[in-house]
Amino acid sequence: EVQLVESGGGLVKPGGSLRLSCAASGFTFSSYSMNWVRQAPGKGLEWVSSISSSSSYIYYADSVKGRFTISRDNAKNSLYLQMNSLRAEDTAVYYCARTSGYWGQGTLVTVSS
Amino acid sequence: AIRMTQSPSSFSASTGDRVTITCRASQGISSYLAWYQQKPGKAPKLLIYAASTLQSGVPSRFSGSGSGTDFTLTISCLQSEDFATYYCQQYYSYPRTFGQGTKLEIK
Repeated sequence: EVQLVESGGGLVKPGGSLRLSCAASGFTFSSYSMNWVRQAPGKGLEWVSSISSSSSYIYYADSVKGRFTISRDNAKNSLYLQMNSLRAEDTAVYYCARTSGYWGQGTLVTVSS
Repeated sequence: AIRMTQSPSSFSASTGDRVTITCRASQGISSYLAWYQQKPGKAPKLLIYAASTLQSGVPSRFSGSGSGTDFTLTISCLQSEDFATYYCQQYYSYPRTFGQGTKLEIK
């Protein structure tokens, strides 16, 4: 069974940093591109970033470019999102999602003073 | 960026109704279109990919059609568990973009 479990969310002050993790199991992690998608409270879905299976290709939404860094460790079956210079508008549930439709349960990031 | 526009943004329907949600892309995306269902407090669930291919395990009352810029999601006979918010997403190019969502409510 495919499982994606996010962790690392929490409350952080504006300008602060946070690192999200996503532990994958039930499939060959190294064969799939992975994504982060977020959803602000009461709002729609917003794609954040994608990384190819071997990390050769990385893409970011303009709203996070230069502040967020996506990475992966195929040996540990893990996906990461390093978030720096956080803003109030980054407050959202962050989902880890595998290409082909599997999503984690999400982790809440709240940016507030 | 490709803009995805869904219509309507919300509407009310009754169990047993046939409903259609439309998604329009600001430029051609071939068939690189997915539909998701999301219920409150839950992660989105993939219903359809490649515009018309039903994801494994999804009931056959869901169907998708379209290519290029115009797409539709149809639910042939609404069940109580179908009341949710639906999103389209293009994966033709980066940045990936979602429609704003269509909230389907019980009449």
